[in-house]
Amino acid sequence: AQKVTQAQTEISVVEKEDVTLDCVYETRDTTYYLFWYKQPPSGELVFLIRRNSFDEQNEISGRYSWNFQKSTSSFNFTITASQVVDSAVYFCALSIYNFNKFYFGSGTKLNVKP
Amino acid sequence: EAQVTQNPRYLITVTGKKLTVTCSQNMNHEYMSWYRQDPGLGLRQIYYSMNVEVTDKGDVPEGYKVSRKEKRNFPLILESPSPNQTSLYFCASSPTGTGVGSPLHFGNGTRLTVT
Repeated sequence: AQKVTQAQTEISVVEKEDVTLDCVYETRDTTYYLFWYKQPPSGELVFLIRRNSFDEQNEISGRYSWNFQKSTSSFNFTITASQVVDSAVYFCALSIYNFNKFYFGSGTKLNVKP
Repeated sequence: EAQVTQNPRYLITVTGKKLTVTCSQNMNHEYMSWYRQDPGLGLRQIYYSMNVEVTDKGDVPEGYKVSRKEKRNFPLILESPSPNQTSLYFCASSPTGTGVGSPLHFGNGTRLTVT
């Protein structure tokens, strides 16, 4: 069975702090894809990144970085020097090769205070 | 502009009164799906469709119907809504199935309240 766990329900930080959002996934399949989505207070869901199971290279995009570790089944998301605009709910998600379902974690609400 | 359009954005209805939430995409995507978002549960898949006339159940299909008569449209039908279907609903699409890693493009959501 597939499962995505985001154990942090809510995190509060002060602007300019670094923050890491944890994501742990479960699957027995060897080919799969991991995603992060952002849901700002306005409610829409914004795609941030996709990683496939064969690519463990970490990725950096501006203040955002992602750490994928198959050994611990984790796909963590770090925001460096957080800003108020980063306040949102962040979802981690999993899809399996050749299987058309998407599995979402329960989300982590990030509050960045000025 | 490439987008997924859901209507209405907000809907308040009473138990048992049939309703339809429309979803349309203008990106010629093969795959479309519906999710509901509830506090503490994240997004759960209701139904998905790989192509016209091809639909399949997600994880929480009970109480919902869908149809895919045209590639661009994928309406969600609640034949007899109940209060436990009060939720935030999202329609999503992707160029091909999510089984090849395509990310989902989401509509803006429909907040449904059933009293």
